[in-house]
Amino acid sequence: DVKVTQSSRYLVKRTGEKVFLECVQDMDHENMFWYRQDPGLGLRLIYFSYDVKMKEKGDIPEGYSVSREKKERFSLILESASTNQTSMYLCASSLRKNLRGSRNQPQHFGDGTRLSIL
Amino acid sequence: SQQGEEDPQALSIQEGENATMNCSYKTSINNLQWYRQNSGRGLVHLILIRSNEREKHSGRLRVTLDTSKKSSSLLITASRAADTASYFCATDASGTYKYIFGTGTRLKVLA
Repeated sequence: DVKVTQSSRYLVKRTGEKVFLECVQDMDHENMFWYRQDPGLGLRLIYFSYDVKMKEKGDIPEGYSVSREKKERFSLILESASTNQTSMYLCASSLRKNLRGSRNQPQHFGDGTRLSIL
Repeated sequence: SQQGEEDPQALSIQEGENATMNCSYKTSINNLQWYRQNSGRGLVHLILIRSNEREKHSGRLRVTLDTSKKSSSLLITASRAADTASYFCATDASGTYKYIFGTGTRLKVLA
């Protein structure tokens, strides 16, 4: 089974701090994703990466950056945390293609990090 | 606006009954996926249906897809208390690796 591990289940930080959220997957997946989940808004894509050192902005990248130095690890960085970044953050990974060459394969999620910014 | 929107937002049924959730989307897709999320946990993939498929089964799950209406439904038969969770549909944005998730249906199965 694919395992996607997020470094913290709960995290409390102060406004202005630089915050790092780490995600590691063990199945050699090419694609990795960061989402935030807020009540009534569902999951919104922050950034995704389809290869090492490659990244693309999602729908809400402002105030965030990412790093993918190794295939198995995808880090989300809050450059200067603000209270409106209090949220549940979910990391996911997927294969780029299956054996038949089909894209958009199922995503495997970590258990999330509930981040509070005070 | 959300590509995928689930309906209803919340559903409460008795154990043993069937639960039906619907998803509508706006643009053309390669596939549509359904996920489940237990409270405080990550999402778990349930089933994927391709745009050229109309119906797919997996255990007690049945998914239909109507690309002309841009809609999908998830049927859970003979529901159990353990099916209590939120259910999300996700559609791929054609030509990209991105997925767009709806806001989910919260299902409560009463024992």
